[in-house]
Amino acid sequence: DAGITQSPRYKITETGRQVTLMCHQTWSHSYMFWYRQDLGHGLRLIYYSAAADITDKGEVPDGYVVSRSKTENFPLTLESATRSQTSVYFCASSDQGIGIVGGYTFGSGTRLTVV
Amino acid sequence: DQQVKQNSPSLSVQEGRISILNCDYTNSMFDYFLWYKKYPAEGPTFLISISSIKDKNEDGRFTVFLNKSAKHLSLHIVPSQPGDSAVYFCAARVGGTASKLTFGTGTRLQVTL
Repeated sequence: DAGITQSPRYKITETGRQVTLMCHQTWSHSYMFWYRQDLGHGLRLIYYSAAADITDKGEVPDGYVVSRSKTENFPLTLESATRSQTSVYFCASSDQGIGIVGGYTFGSGTRLTVV
Repeated sequence: DQQVKQNSPSLSVQEGRISILNCDYTNSMFDYFLWYKKYPAEGPTFLISISSIKDKNEDGRFTVFLNKSAKHLSLHIVPSQPGDSAVYFCAARVGGTASKLTFGTGTRLQVTL
């Protein structure tokens, strides 16, 4: 199916564990993004990527690592999970750079709980 | 530093009436503004956008107004419907940059019967 998919939808992990959230898009969009949603903070950008092998930090990158070896995949890894990383994580993609019109297309999110 | 602010966390409106959601920003370099709608357990979906060279954009029941001098934008929904009940995020982009968006904190709209 065409679209952007995130996996898993729900994840519970322990403090200190490494966990990877997956994001896959089928449109070959150039841009991909990871946001986290927290009450009182809205959506905050963690990392983004303009193309394969090009990534950059967003507003809240500490404790996270990303890679983009293929255009369609943009995994987000929490190297050593902390309780403050309990959140809902959204991946998004966009085929528009400067000429933005429709904005992003978001995945359905991954609810991560760190215990 | 919250560059995009939605000061009303929630709003309740009767069906058929107008819903007005507000958003303020501080960065003068923003050149494009967007509104997203989010239902529970789903990702946000794009609703409507406006370029900084305009002051109004309309799409069906949804109209976005931009007041650059006040650094303020608003989303009007007329008439409001129960299906409009959702969280609404405004977002903005700095001109000349890749499509990296800064989002507000969101406003939860409840449309009552």
